[in-house]
Amino acid sequence: QQPVQSPQAVILREGEDAVINCSSSKALYSVHWYRQKHGEAPVFLMILLKGGEQKGHEKISASFNEKKQQSSLYLTASQLSYSGTYFCGTELRTSYGKLTFGQGTILTVHP
Amino acid sequence: GAGVSQTPSNKVTEKGKYVELRCDPISGHTALYWYRQSLGQGPEFLIYFQGTGAADDSGLPNDRFFAVRPEGSVSTLKIQRTERGDSAVYLCASSPSPFGGTGSSYNEQFFGPGTRLTVL
Repeated sequence: QQPVQSPQAVILREGEDAVINCSSSKALYSVHWYRQKHGEAPVFLMILLKGGEQKGHEKISASFNEKKQQSSLYLTASQLSYSGTYFCGTELRTSYGKLTFGQGTILTVHP
Repeated sequence: GAGVSQTPSNKVTEKGKYVELRCDPISGHTALYWYRQSLGQGPEFLIYFQGTGAADDSGLPNDRFFAVRPEGSVSTLKIQRTERGDSAVYLCASSPSPFGGTGSSYNEQFFGPGTRLTVL
């Protein structure tokens, strides 16, 4: 039931782009994206709902393919502050409010 | 307060002891969530409250774990007869409501700093 994230880790130079993917074997109703820095709490980035509605930060974009039960997070023109571990959390129609998180993708941005 | 607070920040206990972890959500947030996070893993759902009632406790691993939210604000996670495998960071999160107009979780969850539990 846990969603699968890929890649497990990404190393970038400042200014480069990255895509993080999240796949589920279950029919999803929403996908939530969070970023967590070492020793800190996860911080909200984006929510994507079935039907195409989105809510999130302006500089972060994401997509949700309902047919494939996949979501992708797009990080463009990366900055040093983007470094951290990115988690997707998936919500099923049968369990509103309950998020199941993936194992995370470690993103490292170098100068 | 401005954000979700959790106390204590660190708790070291011995195997078999009882512990209580406290969460103070953002004022006015009706939904409260407990997660457990092990090193290198994503947060693992334990339980969520809507108001005073547990709306979903399917993530509690066994009957040693119990959580309450008697007045719909502060919540306490209680662990009896702790085991070494209970060692983890316990995260609490709150949101204004779990449901938006579509009936889904349209509101972001605000996480607290966590309580690091170590069972020796």
